[in-house]
Amino acid sequence: NAGVTQTPKFQVLKTGQSMTLQCAQDMNHNSMYWYRQDPGMGLRLIYYSASEGTTDKGEVPNGYNVSRLNKREFSLRLESAAPSQTSVYFCATRGMAAYEQFFGPGTRLTVL
Amino acid sequence: RKEVEQDPGPFNVPEGATVAFNCTYSNSASQSFFWYRQDCRKEPKLLMSVYSSGNEDGRFTAQLNRASQYISLLIRDSKLSDSATYLCVVNLQQGGKLIFGQGTELSVKP
Repeated sequence: NAGVTQTPKFQVLKTGQSMTLQCAQDMNHNSMYWYRQDPGMGLRLIYYSASEGTTDKGEVPNGYNVSRLNKREFSLRLESAAPSQTSVYFCATRGMAAYEQFFGPGTRLTVL
Repeated sequence: RKEVEQDPGPFNVPEGATVAFNCTYSNSASQSFFWYRQDCRKEPKLLMSVYSSGNEDGRFTAQLNRASQYISLLIRDSKLSDSATYLCVVNLQQGGKLIFGQGTELSVKP
């Protein structure tokens, strides 16, 4: 039972490159979330998916796209990376009847 | 104004000290409140929920004042292992999105 997994753990990109961050969960949770965390800013919601087949914008969606591939997987894509997207990205899940969110270990992304 | 604001850190305290963190939230319609803990370079994890009547979990006590839109976390008899960043978190509605404060860093020294 791995909980929430994220790949890769670390990534360095050049400006303009694209990449996809992967998130998978084995908790059978409906809701999944993508956050970014920057020093002094706290966790900010990028996109979320309340259930399979639905996605919605969060607080800072610009420059990102998401795909809820199935109940288990929720990916985050950067089409043309910018230095401002240098951050730590966390995926999280939440069950139907609970408030608690469970987080993956994070992806540390640097855009040069 | 940020939706959830916390005391600026870092808090540096000796082992055995009592330390209190404060948090204010701007939306009076907020329904649920939590404290999460985040260790250095790790993911956040739920520490405890915060109930209107106040609640305690071992050395940790959480209080909520809805009238003042204020949440607090008290840690008694601090341990070295309590060193972490503590995140104040608010939920506007059941099933809704969580709003995170920027966190307060605690460092407990021997």
